[in-house]
Amino acid sequence: AAGVIQSPRHLIKEKRETATLKCYPIPRHDTVYWYQQGPGQDPQFLISFYEKMQSDKGSIPDRFSAQQFSDYHSELNMSSLELGDSALYFCASSLRAIAYEQYFGPGTRLTVT
Amino acid sequence: GQQVMQIPQYQHVQEGEDFTTYCNSSTTLSNIQWYKQRPGGHPVFLIQLVKSGEVKKQKRLTFQFGEAKKNSSLHITATQTTDVGTYFCAGPGAGGTSYGKLTFGQGTILTVHP
Repeated sequence: AAGVIQSPRHLIKEKRETATLKCYPIPRHDTVYWYQQGPGQDPQFLISFYEKMQSDKGSIPDRFSAQQFSDYHSELNMSSLELGDSALYFCASSLRAIAYEQYFGPGTRLTVT
Repeated sequence: GQQVMQIPQYQHVQEGEDFTTYCNSSTTLSNIQWYKQRPGGHPVFLIQLVKSGEVKKQKRLTFQFGEAKKNSSLHITATQTTDVGTYFCAGPGAGGTSYGKLTFGQGTILTVHP
Protein backbone atom coordinates (compact mmCIF):
# COMPACT_ATOMS: atom_id res chain seq x y z
CA ALA A 1 0.00 0.00 0.00
CA ALA A 2 1.12 3.53 -0.73
CA GLY A 3 2.58 5.44 2.19
CA VAL A 4 3.33 9.06 2.97
CA ILE A 5 6.38 10.25 1.09
CA GLN A 6 8.69 12.92 2.42
CA SER A 7 11.65 14.56 0.77
CA PRO A 8 14.42 15.06 1.33
CA ARG A 9 15.11 12.43 3.97
CA HIS A 10 18.14 14.30 5.25
CA LEU A 11 18.99 17.98 5.03
CA ILE A 12 21.94 19.91 6.33
CA LYS A 13 21.72 23.69 6.44
CA GLU A 14 23.63 26.51 8.02
CA LYS A 15 22.22 29.08 10.42
CA ARG A 16 20.11 31.76 8.78
CA GLU A 17 19.57 29.65 5.65
CA THR A 18 16.18 28.50 4.39
CA ALA A 19 14.84 24.99 3.93
CA THR A 20 11.84 23.49 2.17
CA LEU A 21 10.44 20.13 3.20
CA LYS A 22 7.99 18.31 0.99
CA CYS A 23 5.25 15.86 1.82
CA TYR A 24 3.15 13.68 -0.46
CA PRO A 25 0.19 12.23 1.44
CA ILE A 26 -1.38 8.87 0.88
CA PRO A 27 -3.60 9.06 -2.23
CA ARG A 28 -7.15 10.24 -1.46
CA HIS A 29 -6.18 11.44 2.01
CA ASP A 30 -7.53 14.95 2.47
CA THR A 31 -5.69 16.11 5.60
CA VAL A 32 -1.99 16.71 6.12
CA TYR A 33 -0.22 17.34 9.42
CA TRP A 34 3.29 18.49 10.21
CA TYR A 35 5.10 17.54 13.41
CA GLN A 36 8.52 18.34 14.83
CA GLN A 37 10.32 15.78 16.98
CA GLY A 38 13.45 16.70 18.88
CA PRO A 39 15.89 14.05 20.14
CA GLY A 40 14.25 11.89 22.81
CA GLN A 41 11.05 13.91 22.67
CA ASP A 42 7.50 13.32 21.54
CA PRO A 43 6.25 14.76 18.26
CA GLN A 44 5.04 18.34 18.56
CA PHE A 45 2.24 19.47 16.28
CA LEU A 46 3.08 22.36 13.97
CA ILE A 47 0.26 22.84 11.50
CA SER A 48 -2.37 20.95 9.51
CA PHE A 49 -4.33 21.38 6.31
CA TYR A 50 -7.68 20.04 5.23
CA GLU A 51 -8.61 20.26 1.57
CA LYS A 52 -5.80 22.75 1.00
CA MET A 53 -6.94 25.10 3.75
CA GLN A 54 -5.14 25.50 7.07
CA SER A 55 -7.20 23.71 9.68
CA ASP A 56 -5.16 23.80 12.87
CA LYS A 57 -2.07 25.58 14.06
CA GLY A 58 0.27 24.57 16.83
CA SER A 59 3.61 25.77 18.08
CA ILE A 60 4.93 26.76 14.68
CA PRO A 61 7.43 29.63 14.69
CA ASP A 62 6.64 32.69 12.61
CA ARG A 63 9.75 31.87 10.59
CA PHE A 64 8.00 28.77 9.30
CA SER A 65 5.18 28.67 6.82
CA ALA A 66 3.37 25.85 5.10
CA GLN A 67 0.82 25.26 2.42
CA GLN A 68 -1.02 22.47 0.69
CA PHE A 69 -1.23 22.47 -3.07
CA SER A 70 -3.94 21.46 -5.52
CA ASP A 71 -2.45 17.97 -5.84
CA TYR A 72 -2.61 17.70 -2.00
CA HIS A 73 1.12 17.66 -1.48
CA SER A 74 2.35 20.00 1.20
CA GLU A 75 5.49 21.99 1.77
CA LEU A 76 6.96 23.32 4.99
CA ASN A 77 9.13 26.37 4.44
CA MET A 78 11.60 27.29 7.12
CA SER A 79 13.56 30.53 7.04
CA SER A 80 16.28 32.09 9.18
CA LEU A 81 17.17 28.65 10.47
CA GLU A 82 18.44 28.36 14.01
CA LEU A 83 20.44 25.61 15.69
CA GLY A 84 17.35 24.72 17.70
CA ASP A 85 15.47 23.88 14.52
CA SER A 86 17.54 20.72 14.18
CA ALA A 87 15.02 17.90 14.53
CA LEU A 88 13.02 15.26 12.75
CA TYR A 89 10.10 16.68 10.82
CA PHE A 90 7.25 14.31 10.18
CA CYS A 91 4.38 14.70 7.84
CA ALA A 92 1.26 12.66 8.45
CA SER A 93 -1.94 12.26 6.50
CA SER A 94 -5.44 11.06 7.20
CA LEU A 95 -8.83 10.73 5.59
CA ARG A 96 -11.07 12.95 7.67
CA ALA A 97 -14.33 11.30 6.73
CA ILE A 98 -13.19 7.84 7.77
CA ALA A 99 -11.19 7.90 10.96
CA TYR A 100 -8.93 9.87 13.21
CA GLU A 101 -5.74 7.88 12.75
CA GLN A 102 -2.79 9.58 11.18
CA TYR A 103 -0.27 7.87 8.93
CA PHE A 104 3.23 9.22 9.33
CA GLY A 105 5.89 9.54 6.69
CA PRO A 106 9.50 8.48 7.28
CA GLY A 107 10.47 12.02 8.26
CA THR A 108 13.07 14.55 7.21
CA ARG A 109 16.07 14.88 9.49
CA LEU A 110 17.13 18.52 9.47
CA THR A 111 20.51 19.44 10.85
CA VAL A 112 21.36 23.11 11.24
CA THR A 113 25.05 23.88 11.73
CA GLY B 1 -3.35 23.76 28.02
CA GLN B 2 -4.24 20.14 27.67
CA GLN B 3 -1.55 17.74 28.73
CA VAL B 4 -1.21 14.04 28.26
CA MET B 5 1.07 12.45 30.81
CA GLN B 6 2.57 9.04 30.19
CA ILE B 7 4.43 6.73 32.54
CA PRO B 8 6.85 5.15 32.90
CA GLN B 9 9.44 6.94 30.77
CA TYR B 10 11.53 3.79 30.44
CA GLN B 11 10.81 0.11 30.88
CA HIS B 12 13.37 -2.65 30.64
CA VAL B 13 12.03 -6.20 30.58
CA GLN B 14 13.28 -9.67 29.94
CA GLU B 15 11.81 -11.34 26.90
CA GLY B 16 8.62 -13.10 27.93
CA GLU B 17 7.74 -10.62 30.68
CA ASP B 18 4.70 -8.38 30.48
CA PHE B 19 4.77 -4.63 29.91
CA THR B 20 2.30 -1.86 30.65
CA THR B 21 2.35 1.86 29.91
CA TYR B 22 -0.17 4.33 31.28
CA CYS B 23 -1.53 7.55 29.93
CA ASN B 24 -3.42 10.25 31.84
CA SER B 25 -5.07 13.41 30.59
CA SER B 26 -6.02 16.50 32.54
CA THR B 27 -9.24 16.73 30.54
CA THR B 28 -11.79 14.32 29.12
CA LEU B 29 -10.72 13.00 25.75
CA SER B 30 -13.04 12.37 22.82
CA ASN B 31 -10.68 9.62 21.74
CA ILE B 32 -7.19 8.37 22.37
CA GLN B 33 -4.77 6.85 19.94
CA TRP B 34 -1.68 4.74 20.44
CA TYR B 35 1.41 4.81 18.25
CA LYS B 36 4.65 2.82 18.18
CA GLN B 37 7.92 4.28 17.02
CA ARG B 38 10.83 1.95 16.43
CA PRO B 39 14.35 3.33 16.96
CA GLY B 40 15.17 5.53 13.96
CA GLY B 41 11.66 5.14 12.59
CA HIS B 42 8.43 7.03 12.43
CA PRO B 43 5.29 6.75 14.57
CA VAL B 44 3.02 3.95 13.40
CA PHE B 45 -0.66 3.98 14.29
CA LEU B 46 -1.68 1.05 16.47
CA ILE B 47 -5.25 1.71 17.56
CA GLN B 48 -7.88 4.26 18.46
CA LEU B 49 -10.22 4.08 21.45
CA VAL B 50 -13.39 6.13 21.49
CA LYS B 51 -15.89 4.69 23.97
CA SER B 52 -15.80 4.95 27.74
CA GLY B 53 -14.41 1.74 29.24
CA GLU B 54 -13.47 0.39 25.83
CA VAL B 55 -11.06 -2.54 25.65
CA LYS B 56 -9.46 -3.64 22.40
CA LYS B 57 -6.99 -6.43 21.74
CA GLN B 58 -4.46 -6.95 19.01
CA LYS B 59 -2.76 -10.31 19.49
CA ARG B 60 -0.56 -9.78 22.58
CA LEU B 61 -1.51 -6.09 22.95
CA THR B 62 -4.47 -4.97 25.07
CA PHE B 63 -5.63 -1.36 25.03
CA GLN B 64 -8.01 0.16 27.56
CA PHE B 65 -9.81 3.49 27.76
CA GLY B 66 -10.93 4.58 31.21
CA GLU B 67 -14.53 5.04 32.23
CA ALA B 68 -14.03 8.78 32.61
CA LYS B 69 -12.15 8.93 29.28
CA LYS B 70 -9.20 10.57 31.00
CA ASN B 71 -6.81 7.63 31.13
CA SER B 72 -5.69 4.77 28.98
CA SER B 73 -3.27 1.88 29.12
CA LEU B 74 -1.42 -0.43 26.79
CA HIS B 75 -0.47 -3.88 28.04
CA ILE B 76 1.78 -6.27 26.17
CA THR B 77 1.76 -9.91 27.23
CA ALA B 78 4.92 -11.98 26.92
CA THR B 79 7.11 -9.37 25.28
CA GLN B 80 9.28 -10.23 22.31
CA THR B 81 12.37 -8.48 20.98
CA THR B 82 10.24 -7.17 18.12
CA ASP B 83 8.25 -5.13 20.66
CA VAL B 84 11.22 -2.81 21.22
CA GLY B 85 10.43 0.84 20.59
CA THR B 86 8.74 3.90 22.03
CA TYR B 87 5.01 3.70 22.67
CA PHE B 88 3.09 6.96 22.56
CA CYS B 89 -0.45 7.72 23.50
CA ALA B 90 -1.99 10.73 21.79
CA GLY B 91 -5.17 12.69 22.27
CA PRO B 92 -6.82 15.49 20.32
CA GLY B 93 -4.96 18.73 20.95
CA ALA B 94 -6.67 21.40 23.02
CA GLY B 95 -8.47 23.97 20.93
CA GLY B 96 -8.22 21.87 17.82
CA THR B 97 -10.86 20.18 15.78
CA SER B 98 -11.59 16.54 16.37
CA TYR B 99 -9.60 15.75 13.26
CA GLY B 100 -6.81 18.12 14.07
CA LYS B 101 -3.63 18.17 16.00
CA LEU B 102 -2.58 15.39 18.28
CA THR B 103 -1.07 15.96 21.69
CA PHE B 104 1.35 13.14 22.38
CA GLY B 105 2.33 11.75 25.72
CA GLN B 106 6.04 11.73 26.50
CA GLY B 107 6.27 8.12 25.42
CA THR B 108 7.52 4.97 27.11
CA ILE B 109 10.75 3.53 25.77
CA LEU B 110 10.60 -0.26 25.93
CA THR B 111 13.71 -2.35 25.76
CA VAL B 112 13.49 -6.14 25.75
CA HIS B 113 16.46 -8.25 26.78
CA PRO B 114 16.60 -11.66 25.09
